[in-house]
Amino acid sequence: DTGVSQNPRHKITKRGQNVTFRCDPISEHNRLYWYRQTLGQGPEFLTYFQNEAQLEKSRLLSDRFSAERPKGSFSTLEIQRTEQGDSAMYLCASSPGVAGTDTQYFGPGTRLTVL
Amino acid sequence: AQSVTQLDSQVPVFEEAPVELRCNYSSSVSVYLFWYVQYPNQGLQLLLKYLSGSTLVKGINGFEAEFNKSQTSFHLRKPSVHISDTAEYFCAVGGNTPLVFGKGTRLSVIA
Repeated sequence: DTGVSQNPRHKITKRGQNVTFRCDPISEHNRLYWYRQTLGQGPEFLTYFQNEAQLEKSRLLSDRFSAERPKGSFSTLEIQRTEQGDSAMYLCASSPGVAGTDTQYFGPGTRLTVL
Repeated sequence: AQSVTQLDSQVPVFEEAPVELRCNYSSSVSVYLFWYVQYPNQGLQLLLKYLSGSTLVKGINGFEAEFNKSQTSFHLRKPSVHISDTAEYFCAVGGNTPLVFGKGTRLSVIA
């Protein structure tokens, strides 16, 4: 079973450092989503791609955040100059089609702790 | 703008008892509603979704939900819960716009 995978699963970093997370979606899924989840909250949308095109970004995605999906397969999310407020679980999801109503399949997440 | 309110942050229930997890939504556009479950250390998994048609939606693991447009609700129900249903449950609205999730309801099933 090749579900959505995310690496690393855990990342501890010092404030001011850069971090990069990777998401491998289910094979041939067109859409790929990034969410952020903090303790006691539901996932919050950050951005999504349709194939390699980044179609929408949330206001939550400050200039320190950048996401790419260069060949329409895996995606990376980079956070520059991390802040303690960036500590959260970062979730990736993919869906097969191009409709927003398609089921999104989530990965296990990357937990970021900024010291 | 769309929003979701999950009225209960925690719901304890005894095994084999029925349960209802409440969800109210606000949306100015077409309404598509979802329930996801998150087990410890796992990703979110879709339980069921309402796109159109019958207002009673059946999902996996014996769960069902009813879309009520007049009350702007999409409550999740199960007639008899098991220990294995202990998890966090999230209601979400969206579809043509990015999903907006509620804060979640932690269901704890007590033996």
